[in-house]
Amino acid sequence: SQTIHQWPATLVQPVGSPLSLECTVEGTSNPNLYWYRQAAGRGLQLLFYSVGIGQISSEVPQNLSASRPQDRQFILSSKKLLLSDSGFYLCAWGVWGSNGYTFGSGTRLTVV
Amino acid sequence: DAKTTQPTSMDCAEGRAANLPCNHSTISGNEYVYWYRQIHSQGPQYIIHGLKNNETNEMASLIITEDRKSSTLILPHATLRDTAVYYCIVRVARTNFGNEKLTFGTGTRLTIIP
Repeated sequence: SQTIHQWPATLVQPVGSPLSLECTVEGTSNPNLYWYRQAAGRGLQLLFYSVGIGQISSEVPQNLSASRPQDRQFILSSKKLLLSDSGFYLCAWGVWGSNGYTFGSGTRLTVV
Repeated sequence: DAKTTQPTSMDCAEGRAANLPCNHSTISGNEYVYWYRQIHSQGPQYIIHGLKNNETNEMASLIITEDRKSSTLILPHATLRDTAVYYCIVRVARTNFGNEKLTFGTGTRLTIIP
């Protein structure tokens, strides 16, 4: 069966520090992968999506970047965090023509 | 991309059917309607999706109007565990790249009342 792993669950980082959030998928190949962010009390905002290794599309200009070094690995990074980067970050995967998308359990990031 | 409009919040008594409406008047012919829900501090969970026919699974039913401009998600016997934010989404398909992405709105906050 397909599973998605996202870690860490919670993270507190100081302003100006780097960030690396990792997401891995098991049980499928060539999935579309997505990073979403949800600010407190707000809806989900699509940040990045990837249709293959090394292929990244950015939806909004921001302080973050994404990479896909392997087929089932998606990484969200920042060189220097801002206070506005705080939020709930969700990774998701989907396969073309599938019935739905599966989300990870999320990482709650607090930048202090 | 087709946009969706949902009520901000709704209440429903436990044990009754919860009917959540969604308007998507600009939907195009090859776009599907998806429903997800998000329980507090968790990732969204897929519920159901459809193109033009009504659909039913173990979680819910989806009723799509004939003109496809609106739909209703029905939770037949709501329980307290159904309290969540429900998102109605129209799927965007970029056939030239074969990729897809889901764009979430603010959803409907459904509260099940004991």
